[in-house]
Amino acid sequence: GENVEQHPSTLSVQEGDSAVIKCTYSDSASNYFPWYKQELGKRPQLIIDIRSNVGEKKDQRIAVTLNKTAKHFSLHITETQPEDSAVYFCAASRDGNKLVFGAGTILRVKS
Amino acid sequence: ETGVTQTPRHLVMGMTNKKSLKCEQHLGHNAMYWYKQSAKKPLELMFVYNFKEQTENNSVPSRFSPECPNSSHLFLHLHTLQPEDSALYLCASSQETSGGAETQYFGPGTRLLVL
Repeated sequence: GENVEQHPSTLSVQEGDSAVIKCTYSDSASNYFPWYKQELGKRPQLIIDIRSNVGEKKDQRIAVTLNKTAKHFSLHITETQPEDSAVYFCAASRDGNKLVFGAGTILRVKS
Repeated sequence: ETGVTQTPRHLVMGMTNKKSLKCEQHLGHNAMYWYKQSAKKPLELMFVYNFKEQTENNSVPSRFSPECPNSSHLFLHLHTLQPEDSALYLCASSQETSGGAETQYFGPGTRLLVL
């Protein structure tokens, strides 16, 4: 079955700097890759997703890139702000609703 | 209420108790999910229901028993749990189409402690 690895497990950046979180997946048939943000004590919320027919997607300060050949995808956050501090999860899916999640990255933005 | 709601938000139970977790989605979705979130581990998919039919049981022990009476409600019945079952149990829903995966929306979770 699918296996998703996420790195780093923790990431500290200075406010205004960029943050990059990387995930690799094992199933070449996976075609949907969402990213979720979970603030302390709150539910995971989708922040951006990408499908396998697209190499990059951007939404304001957030972007996701996908390399199907290498089977990895990355989340890029530019001009980080303190409210970006949270746990970020990547996930991969080949059949729609069976998401396999990475272990999460704790992002701390220092002001 | 809008979105996905879960009750109770917190639950403490003994190993011999029987309890149920409830999830309700107000989004008109046709798929619902149970996930387990333990500290320092990935979210683990437990069960998937499409149009009230269970389509996935991710090797979950029988002490967890799901029930989906309609597309808007999902229950997780718990009995004779173990302390290692203590975790945050998250419900999610999505609108499944032939066009591929759609966004899953999560509820706030039930924080379960088994003593």
